[in-house]
Amino acid sequence: DIQVTQSPSSLLASLGERVTITCQTSQSISNNLNWYQQKPGQAPMLLIYYATSLQTGMTSRFSGQYSGRSFTLTITSLEPEDIANYFCLQHYSAPLTFGSGTKLEIK
Amino acid sequence: QVKLQQSGAELVKPGASVKLSCKTSGYTFSTSYMSWFKQIPGQSIEWIGMIYAGDGGTGYNQKFKGKATLTVDTSSSTAYMDLSSLTTEDSAVYFCARGQLGGDYWGQGVMVTVSS
Repeated sequence: DIQVTQSPSSLLASLGERVTITCQTSQSISNNLNWYQQKPGQAPMLLIYYATSLQTGMTSRFSGQYSGRSFTLTITSLEPEDIANYFCLQHYSAPLTFGSGTKLEIK
Repeated sequence: QVKLQQSGAELVKPGASVKLSCKTSGYTFSTSYMSWFKQIPGQSIEWIGMIYAGDGGTGYNQKFKGKATLTVDTSSSTAYMDLSSLTTEDSAVYFCARGQLGGDYWGQGVMVTVSS
């Protein structure tokens, strides 16, 4: 199985701050990675697919990049509605595997 | 618009089985994949497996083989997941999601509690 290491596990940031979350995979997966946002008590929402493509309807404050086995999700200017848990998911090979999640909170 | 509506919360006894449903609308169910996921509250998410509604073909996470069985009813655009021989370790929120690459639209999730 492909392991996905996500960091940090929690993040305190100020409104307006630039935030970066990282996932590293145990083997090369090309760009086969999604990012999801999950608010308490809700289902995950797709933010970014194929590592860099912004899902329709999502704010352009979210962006994804990757280099080799390292993937990043960036929020350019933190807004109150961005407070949530964030997960990455590799869909290169079965079983699909998720990162452990990042809990984003306001400082 | 695309909607995935899951059935209500379940309280089941150890050793029992439960069948969860995911009723869809707003897209062509019969030519789409459906994936299922498990999330223990406060933890990350696990992929259980997926099913292609066109022919019922399935793919499972080895961890959930024998535990979960995925089926579809194209006449009602509904996907189902049977969970068998339930233990307390199966207590979790279960989600359905459209697609086979993680899912773009997700159901609201259903809490399954296994307790005597």
